[in-house]
Amino acid sequence: DARVTQTPRHKVTEMGQEVTMRCQPILGHNTVFWYRQTMMQGLELLAYFRNRAPLDDSGMPKDRFSAEMPDATLATLKIQPSEPRDSAVYFCASGLPPPWDARGTEAFFGQGTRLTVV
Amino acid sequence: QKEVEQNSGPLSVPEGAIASLNCTYSDRGSQSFFWYRQYSGKSPELIMFIYSNGDKEDGRFTAQLNKASQYVSLLIRDSQPSDSATYLCAVNKRSQGNLIFGKGTKLSVKP
Repeated sequence: DARVTQTPRHKVTEMGQEVTMRCQPILGHNTVFWYRQTMMQGLELLAYFRNRAPLDDSGMPKDRFSAEMPDATLATLKIQPSEPRDSAVYFCASGLPPPWDARGTEAFFGQGTRLTVV
Repeated sequence: QKEVEQNSGPLSVPEGAIASLNCTYSDRGSQSFFWYRQYSGKSPELIMFIYSNGDKEDGRFTAQLNKASQYVSLLIRDSQPSDSATYLCAVNKRSQGNLIFGKGTKLSVKP
């Protein structure tokens, strides 16, 4: 059963602490997205990787957020230091573009990490 | 102007009716369009995608695309209470593989 796996599922932390979220994309998928979802803003794209290279991280606050893919089976999103406004559900999604690169990539979502910063 | 816009709803329809969900996008170079369904507390799941102008049918779902009007819609025929969820429209921009989502329309199907 191919699925995107995210850990942890829930995280409560104090303001100022470092938070690391992990994602295992579906085997064979070469595209990984990180999204943040809040009631007010909906799903916001934070970062996007293809073949482990970051292609777009313009949606990510650079001063405190960082995203990496140490290898093809692991993507990480770090927040340091965390702030209460970072409280949200963070989704990782993976996909495999069709042969025509101009067409979009279907994204398959993990179950998300619910982050609460107090 | 937001890149992808949807009416937040809630859209309420009776069981068995047709639910019509709409989405507009601002980037005329957008090429691929996706509909996702998200149940409360769950992750988005892909329902359909469409690339070409016109209609695409899959079971009770029909996606419609009009690139000239920059408009995408999703029709759900014979709506069921289990269709009650938030429906998210996503758009792929030209020459990029990222997906930009609208905020979603909440659909409620009343028995």
